[in-house]
Amino acid sequence: EVQLVESGGGLVQPGRSLRLSCTASGFSFDDFSMSWVRQAPGKGLEWVGFIRDKAYAETTEYAASVKGRFTISRDDSKSIAYLQMNSLKTEDTGVYYCSRRRRSGYIDYWGQGTLVTVSS
Amino acid sequence: EIVLTQSPGSLSLSPGERVTLSCRASQSVSSRYLAWYQQKPGQAPRLLIYDASSRATGIPDRFSGSGSGTDFTLIISRLEPEDFAVYYCQQYGFSPYTFGQGTKLEI
Repeated sequence: EVQLVESGGGLVQPGRSLRLSCTASGFSFDDFSMSWVRQAPGKGLEWVGFIRDKAYAETTEYAASVKGRFTISRDDSKSIAYLQMNSLKTEDTGVYYCSRRRRSGYIDYWGQGTLVTVSS
Repeated sequence: EIVLTQSPGSLSLSPGERVTLSCRASQSVSSRYLAWYQQKPGQAPRLLIYDASSRATGIPDRFSGSGSGTDFTLIISRLEPEDFAVYYCQQYGFSPYTFGQGTKLEI
């Protein structure tokens, strides 16, 4: 059974950093790209970015709203994907979902999400 | 950036009814790379349809998707009580891989 478990969320002040982790199980982690999607309170889904697998040089893509501030990485030996968030803004507040991305680009599995609150 | 506009924004229906949800793209979506997700309160989204018309594993056949280019549709043939949720479309043909704003189905 595919499982994705996010951790690392919490309350952080504007301008500070936070790192989220996504621990995967139930599939061959190193064969898949991994995505992050977020959802502000009471709002819709927003694509944040993704990291390809080693076969595609672990290249990354990001939404314009986070590019230069957020970095996605992965550790295939631990089956973990990371979302490093720097220079956080209040508008980054929301639930962050880790997800598995299929080769063509759709998301077939989602974690339960972790809440990030950026507030002073 | 491709903007996806979903309509209607919300809909009040009864179990057993048929519903058609629309997702319109601001430009043509490459290779029918469009997915539909269902999200219930307090839960993560769930994949329903990918590549515009392919049902995901375990999704009942009352859910169907169609469309190409800029116009896509999700049809639920007979609403069940568990289908009342928010539905999102997403295009994954061009980065950024945008979502629509969602359609809320209410009883």
